[in-house]
Amino acid sequence: KQEVTQIPAALSVPEGENLVLNCSFTDSAIYNLQWFRQDPGKGLTSLLLIQSSQREQTSGRLNASLDKSSGRSTLYIAASQPGDSATYLCAVRDNQAGTALIFGKGTTLSVSS
Amino acid sequence: DAGITQSPRYKITETGRQVTLMCHQTWSHSYMFWYRQDLGHGLRLIYYSAAADITDKGEVPDGYVVSRSKTENFPLTLESATRSQTSVYFCASSESGALEKLFFGSGTQLSVL
Repeated sequence: KQEVTQIPAALSVPEGENLVLNCSFTDSAIYNLQWFRQDPGKGLTSLLLIQSSQREQTSGRLNASLDKSSGRSTLYIAASQPGDSATYLCAVRDNQAGTALIFGKGTTLSVSS
Repeated sequence: DAGITQSPRYKITETGRQVTLMCHQTWSHSYMFWYRQDLGHGLRLIYYSAAADITDKGEVPDGYVVSRSKTENFPLTLESATRSQTSVYFCASSESGALEKLFFGSGTQLSVL
């Protein structure tokens, strides 16, 4: 059964710092991986979607990479801002789960000004 | 407004009562999903639907019923609510399964007393 792990569970950084969030998955047979952002009391917003054939995706200050063979993905946030404070979740769609996404429990990021 | 909307935003009910959570999307997305989010468990799939009149179970379907008579609506019913069903429920949609980005509603916070 696919398992998705995000470490650390929480991270605090000062404004302006570049940072990396980590996501690991146990079964490399995935179709794609998505990174989401969740603000307190709100739903999830999809940030980046990486298909299994891709190595990375970029959107603004965000860059997500995927290494299927090692079962890892990273979300790089450049020049962090207080507005980046949120919980970041990764989710994979693997060959066994059909249409379902399997989520990690997230990393809660706090960026201080 | 276009998008995916859930109602109610908050709901308190008693054990044994029937509760229906509503989900409506305006994009005409084929796929719709119901997830629950709990501390310690993260997001787990309850049910999903690939099209009108087509539904399938997810990871935690027991105690829930869904229907999809119209493409835009995907209600979730708790037939006889239990305290273990206290959770935040999220509806989501995507254009064509999980190969595409997933779009989430704002959630329904349900408390079963």
